[in-house]
Amino acid sequence: ELKVEQNPLFLSMQEGKNYTIYCNYSTTSDRLYWYRQDPGKSLESLFVLLSNGAVKQEGRLMASLDTKARLSTLHITAAVHDLSATYFCAVDMNTDKLIFGTGTRLQVFP
Amino acid sequence: NAGVTQTPKFRILKIGQSMTLQCTQDMNHNYMYWYRQDPGMGLKLIYYSVGAGITDKGEVPNGYNVSRSTTEDFPLRLELAAPSQTSVYFCASRSQGLTEAFFGQGTRLTVV
Repeated sequence: ELKVEQNPLFLSMQEGKNYTIYCNYSTTSDRLYWYRQDPGKSLESLFVLLSNGAVKQEGRLMASLDTKARLSTLHITAAVHDLSATYFCAVDMNTDKLIFGTGTRLQVFP
Repeated sequence: NAGVTQTPKFRILKIGQSMTLQCTQDMNHNYMYWYRQDPGMGLKLIYYSVGAGITDKGEVPNGYNVSRSTTEDFPLRLELAAPSQTSVYFCASRSQGLTEAFFGQGTRLTVV
């Protein structure tokens, strides 16, 4: 059964700093997605990664996918308060199930 | 463009009652999903569907049922509500594999 794990589960970081969130998954897949969730809200799509080596960037966030290592990273550059949210990765199984990771709650402070 | 619409937004149920959570999408998406999110936790897949008439179990299907008679609608049925089903339920849809899923606003369910 597919397991999707993220670390860290909680991240408190200062504005202006850089950090990386990791997403590991347990079975072969070359399709991975990143979502953002604000408190009390629904999920919003951030990135779609569809092949080994895929890299996507939007503002201060950059996501990458290494299918051989079964690892995706979400890199935060020069964090700002507006990035405070919970970030989820999701892996697309060949059966069309979409399985979510445990989530990383990010808090950015001044 | 409404996207994915869930009703109701909030509901309180008594133990043993039943209810149906409604989900409809107007994007002509084939794939639809139901997830539950417990407080401070991630999303767990309950059921999913890849087209009208086709449904399959996810990670946590016990205590729930689904049907998919049309492309647009994917209702989730709770037959005998239990406190363990207190959660926020999200419905999502996407056009096919390899594409992002779009989420509804969620239904917050409390079973007392």
